[in-house]
Amino acid sequence: DTEVTQTPKHLVMGMTNKKSLKCEQHMGHRAMYWYKQKAKKPPELMFVYSYEKLSINESVPSRFSPECPNSSLLNLHLHALQPEDSALYLCASSQDAVREGPNEQFFGPGTRLTVL
Amino acid sequence: AQRVTQPEKLLSVFKGAPVELKCNYSYSGSPELFWYVQYSRQRLQLLLRHISRESIKGFTADLNKGETSFHLKKPFAQEEDSAMYYCALSGRHQGYQKVTFGIGTKLQVIP
Repeated sequence: DTEVTQTPKHLVMGMTNKKSLKCEQHMGHRAMYWYKQKAKKPPELMFVYSYEKLSINESVPSRFSPECPNSSLLNLHLHALQPEDSALYLCASSQDAVREGPNEQFFGPGTRLTVL
Repeated sequence: AQRVTQPEKLLSVFKGAPVELKCNYSYSGSPELFWYVQYSRQRLQLLLRHISRESIKGFTADLNKGETSFHLKKPFAQEEDSAMYYCALSGRHQGYQKVTFGIGTKLQVIP
């Protein structure tokens, strides 16, 4: 399996809701990432997990809470979001984020999030 | 800090014409450069990486360290090349490899 999968494909939530985005890969990768992509903009890094530990948090508001239950799964828990958080949320994985050298990332299809 | 600059948001070319998508970077260390492509309603996918010096779908890109550039080229554009192209740099950040994307160039191939 050489794909990164994400669920759900679409999500609409109110500002008081709690929801979760899920990501899964079975390529044996030890690094997983969350990106946020607004329309016509490049992906912006949010979090990096390396060997199931949170390694980089790009100053993301606490209403976004990542979780890595095991090396294949990555979740993003959402709570009290704002309308400006509406975007495409992309998950990616790569072989290793610690080792220097090429860090080819494989992307999932994304979850289109709308916050009302 | 690492930075990637793509000066053109939109590039329109006629089918059969040559294509050059520009990318310049800023990084203090030895960079690893990539081109990613996003076709309409499809996921972001890797097109090329500089280290492998390969040609994919007729596209090539050469790393020029003197000019800090990694331009993407194709001699003859095809309609199916219409897509969003992102140049990306992988560099060290807080002890980890981090990928930074340029703003992207939308390539529109006119039939």
